Amino acid sequence: GAGVSQTPSNKVTEKGKYVELRCDPISGHTALYWYRQSLGQGPEFLIYFQGTGAADDSGLPNDRFFAVRPEGSVSTLKIQRTERGDSAVYLCASSLGGSITDTQYFGPGTRLTVL
Amino acid sequence: AQSVTQLGSHVSVSEGALVLLRCNYSSSVPPYLFWYVQYPNQGLQLLLKYTSAATLVKGINGFEAEFKKSETSFHLTKPSAHMSDAAEYFCAVNRAGSYQLTFGKGTKLSVIP
Repeated sequence: GAGVSQTPSNKVTEKGKYVELRCDPISGHTALYWYRQSLGQGPEFLIYFQGTGAADDSGLPNDRFFAVRPEGSVSTLKIQRTERGDSAVYLCASSLGGSITDTQYFGPGTRLTVL
Repeated sequence: AQSVTQLGSHVSVSEGALVLLRCNYSSSVPPYLFWYVQYPNQGLQLLLKYTSAATLVKGINGFEAEFKKSETSFHLTKPSAHMSDAAEYFCAVNRAGSYQLTFGKGTKLSVIP
């Protein structure tokens, strides 16, 4: 079956602009996660959804970052007033959701470049 | 808070040699531990995970890792390196009750023919 997909694969924007990054999880997975990976670093947790609700958003760096998952499937990460420091690869993952030891399956990521 | 330290940002081994990638964790409660691999331009793929069952965990592609509580370690090994093992490897931890994964900075493995 299809894995986690993310669009776009690359996004270049100018400082101050608004961007949306999309994630399509594996069908049937109720848990969805967003991580951010800066150059030379491991992924850092941003937010976790269980169904439609954000169960843990403690990793969002500030109020410019927001994510939604209105129907419990596709999720969108929204970044307002982008800054150069937001440049990174944004990773989405999904898991079955019943257990914290469920495997998280990662998408290929969206590379965001803020000029 | 949980954290993971991966010793060595870059490891080189000869084809056929032992692969040893080091991971030490800190956690105030018993952790769950994971190793992921990232090939160029691909997503992270789970190699193996420790979830408090057997301390020696076998994964895909001939990799295994041993959970050693006394040493707070979860090192990844493979007896014989293959050219296709060249990739970046990440150790990750989550604590009981948390869905968050905390990743190390990664170790890039190069395999020399």
